Formats: sequence, C-alpha cells, structure tokens
Amino acid sequence: SQELEQSPQSLIVQEGKNLTINCTSSKTLYGLYWYKQKYGEGLIFLMMLQKGGEEKSHEKITAKLDEKKQQSSLHITASQPSHAGIYLCGADSGAGSYQLTFGKGTKLSVIP
Amino acid sequence: GAGVSQSPRYKVAKRGQDVALRCDPISGHVSLFWYQQALGQGPEFLTYFQNEAQLDKSGLPSDRFFAERPEGSVSTLKIQRTQQEDSAVYLCASARVGNQPQHFGDGTRLSIL
Repeated sequence: SQELEQSPQSLIVQEGKNLTINCTSSKTLYGLYWYKQKYGEGLIFLMMLQKGGEEKSHEKITAKLDEKKQQSSLHITASQPSHAGIYLCGADSGAGSYQLTFGKGTKLSVIP
Repeated sequence: GAGVSQSPRYKVAKRGQDVALRCDPISGHVSLFWYQQALGQGPEFLTYFQNEAQLDKSGLPSDRFFAERPEGSVSTLKIQRTQQEDSAVYLCASARVGNQPQHFGDGTRLSIL
C-alpha cells in the first residue's frame, strides 16, 4: 500500500518568513492533493498536481510535483497568521477508486 | 448549501449503541467518500460511492460499519454495536467526478463512552 511521509511534523515560524513542507511517497504519484485543516474543521482544498514537474500557485502558496513523481513540496512565501493550521498531502494511488491516502500532516504555527 | 454538510457535528454514544452519521454532498457531485480521522493522524479511507453505487468499501474496518447512498445524493454511515475504538472524526467528501478534487465537510466527532 502507498505511504506518504510529511516533513517536518511541526513548524513554528515568525510572521513574514518563508517555509517549505515536503511530502514523499513510497510509490509513484498519479495525483497529489494539498489540503489545509484547522482544529475541529474539515479539510480545505488548496491545490492538485498531476504531472511530473507541474507547479501551481495560489496567492502566496506554491506547490510542486517533482519530475520523478514521488515527492511534492508546498512553499509559503511571507507567512501570515492566517496560514497557521495543519497541512496534509493526499495521494491518489491510481487504482481506480479515487480514494486518497494521506500523510500525517504538518502543523504550522505563525508567530506575529 | 454551497459545501458538504455533515450532521450531527458531535455525537456521544454508549458502547454497544448504534449510531448514524449523515452527509449532504455538494449538489451535482457524483462521487462521495467517507474517511475516518484519528487524533493527530491523516484521514483514512472507508468507502466510495459513484452515484448510488458503492464501488469500494475496502476501508470499512469491520462488518459493524455500513454505508448507503440510496438516491445518489445524501449518504449515511451507520455503525452498529459501537466500541471505544470507533471514537474518531468521520469525514465525508464529495467530488464532481472521480479524479476531481474532493471537498470535505467539517466532520462528525464521535465519542464512545
């Protein structure tokens, strides 16, 4: 079965600093999804990556899927307190049922 | 509504009781998924529907778990004879079609005493 490992597990940054979260898969990625979750709430969809080398940006968040399609990174530029939360990567195994396998998440805290 | 709606938000039950969790997907979304999320973990897949057909139930942990979506819209996850290890957040997600982004509800936090 596919496993996703996220690093770091937690991160504390000062407001205005840049940061990167990584997601490494044990198998080839056919679709990689980034979500954000706040405590007690559901997952908010951020971005979907499907092709090796693909890069997408939304506001100050950029996500990339590497050429070999086994790793993705999420980069936040000039972090703000509103970026705080748990970031989860989820992968489609390509088996056809479209279920997502998730990493354990990276908890981000932004200090004003 | 515009998003996925789940009810109840919180459910407390005694061990051995049956519970039913409801999910209202985004209107027009063909695909519906149920996930279970333990504290400090990522969500884990339970089951998948395409319209009213349950195409994958490989993640259901035991035969005490049952899900249905009889008219291809609202779905119910039922847990019979609940046990303490069933305590978790149950998340529902829907997607326009299979490989499109899944949109999640806020979940039902289930506590078994």
